[in-house]
Amino acid sequence: GQNIDQPTEMTATEGAIVQINCTYQTSGFNGLFWYQQHAGEAPTFLSYNVLDGLEEKGRFSSFLSRSKGYSYLLLKELQMKDSASYLCAVRDNTNAGKSTFGDGTTLTVKP
Amino acid sequence: GAGVSQSPSNKVTEKGKDVELRCDPISGHTALYWYRQSLGQGLEFLIYFQGNSAPDKSGLPSDRFSAERTGGSVSTLTIQRTQQEDSAVYLCASSENGGNSNQPQHFGDGTRLSIL
Repeated sequence: GQNIDQPTEMTATEGAIVQINCTYQTSGFNGLFWYQQHAGEAPTFLSYNVLDGLEEKGRFSSFLSRSKGYSYLLLKELQMKDSASYLCAVRDNTNAGKSTFGDGTTLTVKP
Repeated sequence: GAGVSQSPSNKVTEKGKDVELRCDPISGHTALYWYRQSLGQGLEFLIYFQGNSAPDKSGLPSDRFSAERTGGSVSTLTIQRTQQEDSAVYLCASSENGGNSNQPQHFGDGTRLSIL
């Protein structure tokens, strides 16, 4: 099975940089996803990592270290609209390829 | 439509009644997932379909819960004899390929189920 840990809450200032960490223990790994979920809305896809290293996509970057069971999501030039929950999801390597989601990190961006 | 569509968007029912939730995935997406999310909590996996078959039903919380998918498209999640602890948002997601692809899941807006 999968066990995924993320901080429950984080606060940051508009214009700053914030790093949201995710650690996982898994019996089989086949990729890690980050999703953003605004309150009352559905999650939306942000990034995917399956190999070690950094994936950059505009203001958002995601990093993966498989040996350490560790990922982070980096948000630069924070905007008020970035206030949301950020979900880390790990997919297993069975044919079913089920994704297990962490409980999410609620980020509050303050002026 | 362009996205995953779920209906109804809200459902209020009395304890003990049966409910049926519907999910219309993105056209062409072979993989379909059901999740449950309680207020302030993460996503709880319920069931996964690849085409019409369900390789993983391990998340269904009890035998009151069942799901089917027909024609490789629409899926229904049925909860029999509902209990108050079933109250949650039920989210459906679809993706282009099955478990070992890099395609992300696209989520519907969910059905908010309230059991009185």
